[in-house]
Amino acid sequence: AQSVTQPDIHITVSEGASLELRCNYSYGATPYLFWYVQSPGQGLQLLLKYFSGDTLVQGIKGFEAEFKRSQSSFNLRKPSVHWSDAAEYFCAVVQNTNAGKSTFGDGTTLTVKP
Amino acid sequence: ETGVTQSPTHLIKTRGQQVTLRCSSQSGHNTVSWYQQALGQGPQFIFQYYREEENGRGNFPPRFSGLQFPNYSSELNVNALELDDSALYLCASSGVGGETQYFGPGTRLLVL
Repeated sequence: AQSVTQPDIHITVSEGASLELRCNYSYGATPYLFWYVQSPGQGLQLLLKYFSGDTLVQGIKGFEAEFKRSQSSFNLRKPSVHWSDAAEYFCAVVQNTNAGKSTFGDGTTLTVKP
Repeated sequence: ETGVTQSPTHLIKTRGQQVTLRCSSQSGHNTVSWYQQALGQGPQFIFQYYREEENGRGNFPPRFSGLQFPNYSSELNVNALELDDSALYLCASSGVGGETQYFGPGTRLLVL
């Protein structure tokens, strides 16, 4: 069965500092990969996705992620964090033969210090 | 283009009761998936509906059931509520191909 691990439960960064959120997945083939953001009491907003091709993908709000097949990782990055980025971030995978049935990690909560 | 909407936003029930949650999919989307998100956890896949038929189910008991209507809106029904059913229930819709899902704001259910 596929699984997603987000090793960092909580990360605190200063405003303006760079950010990297880690995501590792376990799956026999290359799945579709997603990052979502969730503000308190809200649903999930899609930040970016990877299906194939260029392993560095750009998303909304200045986020990017890099797929590394050898490490089964899909880490999310942002060069300069803004206070409004404080939220919970979820990595998700979907089997390419099971579209729409996502497996999520348990999330990383981002706190931004002024 | 209207996004995914869910109703109600909040709900309080007591153990043993039944609940129905509703979801309207994004315009043009024919697939709806439901997820349960317990506090401090990621969403867990409950089931998916495609063209009014169940199209895959996660590890949830039969007291979790659903429907999809001809306009692609959907309902999630939970019978015999248990305390552990307290969670945020998320609906997501997707279109052709189905890989990319768009989530609604969720319904927060509290079972007392």
